[in-house]
Amino acid sequence: QQQVKQSPQSLIVQKGGIPIINCAYENTAFDYFPWYQQFPGKGPALLIAIRPDVSEKKEGRFTISFNKSAKQFSLHIMDSQPGDSATYFCAASKHSGYALNFGKGTSLLVTP
Amino acid sequence: EAQVTQNPRYLITVTGKKLTVTCSQNMNHEYMSWYRQDPGLGLRQIYYSMNVEVTDKGDVPEGYKVSRKEKRNFPLILESPSPNQTSLYFCASSTPGQGGSSGANVLTFGAGSRLTVL
Repeated sequence: QQQVKQSPQSLIVQKGGIPIINCAYENTAFDYFPWYQQFPGKGPALLIAIRPDVSEKKEGRFTISFNKSAKQFSLHIMDSQPGDSATYFCAASKHSGYALNFGKGTSLLVTP
Repeated sequence: EAQVTQNPRYLITVTGKKLTVTCSQNMNHEYMSWYRQDPGLGLRQIYYSMNVEVTDKGDVPEGYKVSRKEKRNFPLILESPSPNQTSLYFCASSTPGQGGSSGANVLTFGAGSRLTVL
């Protein structure tokens, strides 16, 4: 049973666009929501993460928006670049990062 | 360089031939974990270990074994591989509190091991 549902499965945007990836969860015990970025041939790497006590977190061009009441969170990439083309995974954990439950991933392509 | 090292990176084997995928980390991390990545299914946890001699099942443990005799090593064992275990495998490690402002654990992943079982 997938505990974190991620959409869309794939996304194509032009350079400078703002891709948005959405995730939803059911377990209210989750207390940590990271996003991982994976380039082809590499392992995933932490991009940005948020705790449920804040509604938004920005790091550079990447922003997480968190809606606790709706049990949803999303990743926004401002001024997207071709180098952002990668697979993005949202995840959730109820043990501050242990035993992460990953979404199925979104393949993002940013065209020049 | 701080890293998680997996070997082999690529392997083609046949049904029933026991194999081990090694994982080693040089960051003195307590927590280690194995994931498999399949198209359309994302990353699913196989086993994890909170520390030496402490292991537990993840979401898809069937057909796999692990051991944690040393802090740095966490091998994944397929006693009798089957074609449905054809996948991309990732080892990861972390330690408490390395997550910066979020204070959570940050997984460091290896580069992956692509396994094909014929």
